[in-house]
Amino acid sequence: NAGVTQTPKFRILKIGQSMTLQCTQDMNHNYMYWYRQDPGMGLKLIYYSVGAGITDKGEVPNGYNVSRSTTEDFPLRLELAAPSQTSVYFCASTGGGADTDTQYFGPGTRLTVL
Amino acid sequence: QKEVEQNSGPLSVPEGAIASLNCTYSDRGSQSFFWYRQYSGKSPELIMSIYSNGDKEDGRFTAQLNKASQYVSLLIRDSQPSDSATYLCAVKKGGNTGFQKLVFGTGTRLLVSP
Repeated sequence: NAGVTQTPKFRILKIGQSMTLQCTQDMNHNYMYWYRQDPGMGLKLIYYSVGAGITDKGEVPNGYNVSRSTTEDFPLRLELAAPSQTSVYFCASTGGGADTDTQYFGPGTRLTVL
Repeated sequence: QKEVEQNSGPLSVPEGAIASLNCTYSDRGSQSFFWYRQYSGKSPELIMSIYSNGDKEDGRFTAQLNKASQYVSLLIRDSQPSDSATYLCAVKKGGNTGFQKLVFGTGTRLLVSP
């Protein structure tokens, strides 16, 4: 049981390039989330999903897109990267039952846009 | 006014002392509150959740909630150098069981000196 995995761990992009941050969870969780964390700041919700095929915007969605074709995967797409998107990106998931209120986080992707 | 406010610190305490971390929130209707610990360069990890007024203890950790004052705190007894981390306060904005829309504070950095 790997939990929540994210790839890549690090990436440097040039302004205007695009990329996809991958997120996979093997806990059969319905709910998945993408956050960004800027230095000295808390986590800001970018997008979330309540199940396969259902996504919605969070607090800071501009410049990003998501899809959820399977329960396991929730990729985050950056189009036309900008320096303001330099951040650490975390994917998280929650399930049901006794573990309802625990968000499990992936290890993060550190992205630099130059 | 920020939705969730924390003093950024650092809060410095000697080993063996009690560390007291505080958090205030603006939405009086909030019902669920969480403390996450984040080591430098790592992802957040849930350490405490609290839903009712009063204290909740788990080992060396005690979470305290006062809904009338819109105040949540985390006490760490017998602080250890391994407790040195950033502590994020999070408040659930809504959603059904299992689904969490969390608002995070910016975190308080705790330093425990040997």
